[in-house]
Amino acid sequence: RKEVEQDPGPFNVPEGATVAFNCTYSNSASQSFFWYRQDCRKEPKLLMSVYSSGNEDGRFTAQLNRASQYISLLIRDSKLSDSATYLCVVNTGFQKLVFGTGTRLLVSP
Amino acid sequence: NAGVTQTPKFRILKIGQSMTLQCTQDMNHNYMYWYRQDPGMGLKLIYYSVGAGITDKGEVPNGYNVSRSTTEDFPLRLELAAPSQTSVYFCASSYEHYEQYFGPGTRLTVT
Repeated sequence: RKEVEQDPGPFNVPEGATVAFNCTYSNSASQSFFWYRQDCRKEPKLLMSVYSSGNEDGRFTAQLNRASQYISLLIRDSKLSDSATYLCVVNTGFQKLVFGTGTRLLVSP
Repeated sequence: NAGVTQTPKFRILKIGQSMTLQCTQDMNHNYMYWYRQDPGMGLKLIYYSVGAGITDKGEVPNGYNVSRSTTEDFPLRLELAAPSQTSVYFCASSYEHYEQYFGPGTRLTVT
């Protein structure tokens, strides 16, 4: 089983739609969690950290479910500019982060 | 703050040549990392460092070497380049094991 697993997509949604991605992780001792965004041929950039209580940043909401070992990202009112690959990232506690292979989102007019 | 900078942006190598990819950060981060990303694939950790003078192997270290003589710099050395090393290389830094900040990447082609 991979340490971090994501549905590669692509998720094709119209502008204004709500879309959600899930990511599962295998190490129950994982300590911190992040969502990164990566545009085509660019470097990954931190979108948001994921806290135990869940957190929201504008149109983006992240949730953590430790019992089921998954994190989620919800994007409301999708914009064309949200088209990108979203990487789930988990700190397994061994001094490095483990990156998922990403979920591709395509928002169309 | 420039953040994480990488040079060169692009490079074409012949098989068997060597080169050094440069990475510098000005955020006083103690942790630094090198990743490679093949087309359509996820990031794979090559080497990482938790401070000056300390380096350790990641998932795919073969064919690469690193050094960390200062907090700011973390160069990646490719010896005897092979076509399998054609990839995009990203350097990143972080404070401890928290969120990482990435450089813009180096696109390397080995022919």
